[in-house]
Amino acid sequence: GENVEQHPSTLSVQEGDSAVIKCTYSDSASNYFPWYKQELGKGPQLIIDIRSNVGEKKDQRIAVTLNKTAKHFSLHITETQPEDSAVYFCAASWTAGNKLTFGGGTRVLVKP
Amino acid sequence: EAQVTQNPRYLITVTGKKLTVTCSQNMNHEYMSWYRQDPGLGLRQIYYSMNVEVTDKGDVPEGYKVSRKEKRNFPLILESPSPNQTSLYFCASGTDPNYGYTFGSGTRLTVV
Repeated sequence: GENVEQHPSTLSVQEGDSAVIKCTYSDSASNYFPWYKQELGKGPQLIIDIRSNVGEKKDQRIAVTLNKTAKHFSLHITETQPEDSAVYFCAASWTAGNKLTFGGGTRVLVKP
Repeated sequence: EAQVTQNPRYLITVTGKKLTVTCSQNMNHEYMSWYRQDPGLGLRQIYYSMNVEVTDKGDVPEGYKVSRKEKRNFPLILESPSPNQTSLYFCASGTDPNYGYTFGSGTRLTVV
C-alpha cells in the first residue's frame, strides 16, 4: 500500500520568513495530494490540494509543488504569521483507492 | 452550517467496557471514514464507508466495529476497549475518497 513520509516533524520559523514542508510517497499510481492544517483542539482542515496533472498550485501565501518523477511534493508558506502555527499533514491517494494516506505531520511554530 | 459532529469530545473508560463514538454529517456525503491520530504516526484509517450498508476495513481495524445504516451517521464501536486504543479519533466525510474531506473536531479517548 501507499506510504507517505513527511519532514521535518517540527519547524520553527521567525514571523515573516518562509516555511517549507516536504513529503514523499511510494505508490506511483497516487494522483491526489492534499494538505491539511490542524489547529489546537480542532480537526484537520483542508488548505490546498494538487492533482498529478499539475506541477504547482498557489493560493495567496500558500503554494504546493509536485514532482511526480521523484514522487515528492512540498508545501510552501510565505510571509509566515503567528496564526500559521499549527500541525500540517500531507496526504496521498489514487483514483481507484478508497482512502487518503497521511504523513506523520509537521508541527510549525511561528515566533513573533 | 456544513459540519461533521462527533460525540463525545472526551471519554475516559475502563478496559473491557463497550463504548460507541457517534459521528453525524449534514452534507449528504456518501463517503465517511474513521481515523485515529497518534504522535508521530499521523492519521491512520480504521474503517471507511462508501455508502449506506457498505463498509470496509482500513489500515488499523482490529478492535473496532462500524455500521452505516443511514447516510448521515457512522458510529465507531469498541466492543472491548484496551489501553492501546487510547488515542485521538476523527470522523471524516466527503463526496469521494479522492477529494477533500471534512473532519469532525475529534474524540479523545483514554482507556485505563
